[in-house]
Amino acid sequence: QSALTQPRSVSGSPGHSVTISCTGTSSDVGGYNYVSWYQLHPGKAPKLMIYDVSKRPSGVPDHFSGSKSGNTASLTISGLQAEDEADYYCCSYAGRNTLIFGGGTKLTVL
Amino acid sequence: EVLLVQSGAEVKKPGESLKISCKGSGYRFTTYWIGWVRQMPGKGLEWMGIIYPGDSDTIYSPSFQGQVTISADKSISTAYLQWNSLRASDTAMYYCATYGGSYRPFFDYWGQGTLVTVSS
Repeated sequence: QSALTQPRSVSGSPGHSVTISCTGTSSDVGGYNYVSWYQLHPGKAPKLMIYDVSKRPSGVPDHFSGSKSGNTASLTISGLQAEDEADYYCCSYAGRNTLIFGGGTKLTVL
Repeated sequence: EVLLVQSGAEVKKPGESLKISCKGSGYRFTTYWIGWVRQMPGKGLEWMGIIYPGDSDTIYSPSFQGQVTISADKSISTAYLQWNSLRASDTAMYYCATYGGSYRPFFDYWGQGTLVTVSS
């Protein structure tokens, strides 16, 4: 199992939008509508931001959104805020209760 | 409130054994999977495996099968991650998290992490 492919880094200015891609295969991302996204701030536990491709847990701001096309999922953060600066990881279900994470993307808010 | 509280940081020597813990509260421990996730220094998250405390059904990532043991004691709502012989490459932060199973395949609540350092 190889990690899902994410860009190493993305950046954007406050108020602007960024999109983080997450590319897998038909055995994971493309095979199930079960992609989740996690936010990691240094020294803090990961936080679930998106599940089931595009659903937001209670308490997650609505400027976070998710989508998927084929074997690629995307996390879009619109109206960037300074506190959005963090590492983001995608994760896909791969069948039989197995999961695979992406390599992670560092978001810098300029 | 769902809480997962992990055991404290550990410093071990290569070859030593270790068992770290993750205690759940605020929910019915036996009806939610618990997963373990590794983050090596400067690296990304890696799914290690999951356990269903209700019947101890355990699924390992192929990358970690045979390298670690995941267990749970439902009487004290605690899951464990264990090594028989640590290596320097086991140095990492380890997180536990609740996992909803094949119909809710994501980690919704996370522990604070346990830092394991293996050094001679």
